[in-house]
Amino acid sequence: SQTIHQWPATLVQPVGSPLSLECTVEGTSNPNLYWYRQAAGRGLQLLFYSVGIGQISSEVPQNLSASRPQDRQFILSSKKLLLSDSGFYLCAWSQVNEQFFGPGTRLTVL
Amino acid sequence: TQLLEQSPQFLSIQEGENLTVYCNSSSVFSSLQWYRQEPGEGPVLLVTVVTGGEVKKLKRLTFQFGDARKDSSLHITAAQPGDTGLYLCAGEDSGGSNYKLTFGKGTLLTVNP
Repeated sequence: SQTIHQWPATLVQPVGSPLSLECTVEGTSNPNLYWYRQAAGRGLQLLFYSVGIGQISSEVPQNLSASRPQDRQFILSSKKLLLSDSGFYLCAWSQVNEQFFGPGTRLTVL
Repeated sequence: TQLLEQSPQFLSIQEGENLTVYCNSSSVFSSLQWYRQEPGEGPVLLVTVVTGGEVKKLKRLTFQFGDARKDSSLHITAAQPGDTGLYLCAGEDSGGSNYKLTFGKGTLLTVNP
């Protein structure tokens, strides 16, 4: 069966510091991968998605970036965090039309 | 841009009551998914509906996809405190882009014992 991991689970970072969140998927190959941000426990905002190694599509202009160095690894990064980057970050994978989510990372920027 | 509107935004009921939440759009979707999310966790897929008019049941939960594939409903019978959570609907673009889903903002359900 497929599993998806995210780490860290929680993170507190000062404004202006860098960020690296990691997501890995097991039990499947060549999945589509996604990064979402969720504010205040409500709707999901798609940030990036990837259909293959090195292929990244950005949905929202911002100071975040994403990379996919391996088939089942997806990384969300920032060089300098803003207060507005605080939120709950979710990674997801899909094949065909269903998406399956990781446990999420709670990021607080102070 | 396709939009999905969910209603109500908030719902607080007593254990044992029935409820229905809705997911509506002016756009046609190839498929529609329902997720439940508990605080501090990722959304968990409950069901996928594909055919217009389709009805699927998952224990006390009944999901229906509209005939025109623009809307969906989730009915819960005899709600229990364990049903508490954020219910999200998500639609797959009928234009053939199977890489992305459009999410609604969710219905936050609280079932009081």
